[in-house]
Amino acid sequence: QKEVEQNSGPLSVPEGAIASLNCTYSDRGSQSFFWYRQYSGKSPELIMFIYSNGDKEDGRFTAQLNKASQYVSLLIRDSQPSDSATYLCAVTRETGRRALTFGSGTRLQVQP
Amino acid sequence: DAGVIQSPRHEVTEMGQEVTLRCKPISGHNSLFWYRQTMMRGLELLIYFNNNVPIDDSGMPEDRFSAKMPNASFSTLKIQPSEPRDSAVYFCASGTSSSRADFGPGTRLTVT
Repeated sequence: QKEVEQNSGPLSVPEGAIASLNCTYSDRGSQSFFWYRQYSGKSPELIMFIYSNGDKEDGRFTAQLNKASQYVSLLIRDSQPSDSATYLCAVTRETGRRALTFGSGTRLQVQP
Repeated sequence: DAGVIQSPRHEVTEMGQEVTLRCKPISGHNSLFWYRQTMMRGLELLIYFNNNVPIDDSGMPEDRFSAKMPNASFSTLKIQPSEPRDSAVYFCASGTSSSRADFGPGTRLTVT
C-alpha cells in the first residue's frame, strides 16, 4: 500500500464547475497536509496546507481534512482552463520523518 | 527573494560519468530536500537535511548517490557512476520548521 494515494485521472471538468481532488494516506501519525500544483515541465508549487480537521478556504480553493478517515481533499471552485495541471497531495509528520511524502498526483483538465 | 536556485537546468551525460547537481536554498530556510521525479515512480524523496545535517537518506537509491551540505547556502547531489536509469528530473527544495517546502526549477538529467 502506498503511503499517499491519489487517482491519477485525468479528471475532466467544464470551465466554471467545481473540481474535487481526493487523497488518502496510510500513516496515522501524519500531521500536516499539503496540496501542490505542477504544470507540465515545471516544478511543484504550494497552493494549500491544512493541519486541523475541517475545511480551510483560500480564494477559490478549499482544503478538507478528515483524520479519522485518513482523507484529505481539494476543491477548486469556478474552475478555469489555467487550473489544468497535476495536483500533488503531500503529507508529513511533525515529529520523526518530517520530509514531505507525495502522492503520484491527479491530472486535472478544465475544458473551456 | 530569488527562490531556490538549481544548476545546471539540463544535463546530458554518458553512462559511467560523474554528475554533480547543485542547489542554493532560500535564505533563512533550515531544511533542504532532494527529490527525484519520474513518470513511473512520481516524486521521491532522496535525502533531507536539517540545519546542514543529513536527517534521512533512506531514499538514496544506492552507493552511487551522495549528497552534501557544507553550509546553509549550498548543497550538492552527486551520482558516480551514472546509469541510464538515473535519468529523471531532480528537484531541490527548501523549507522551515513548518515542514512546507519550496521547490527549485529542477535539473533534467539524461544519461545515455
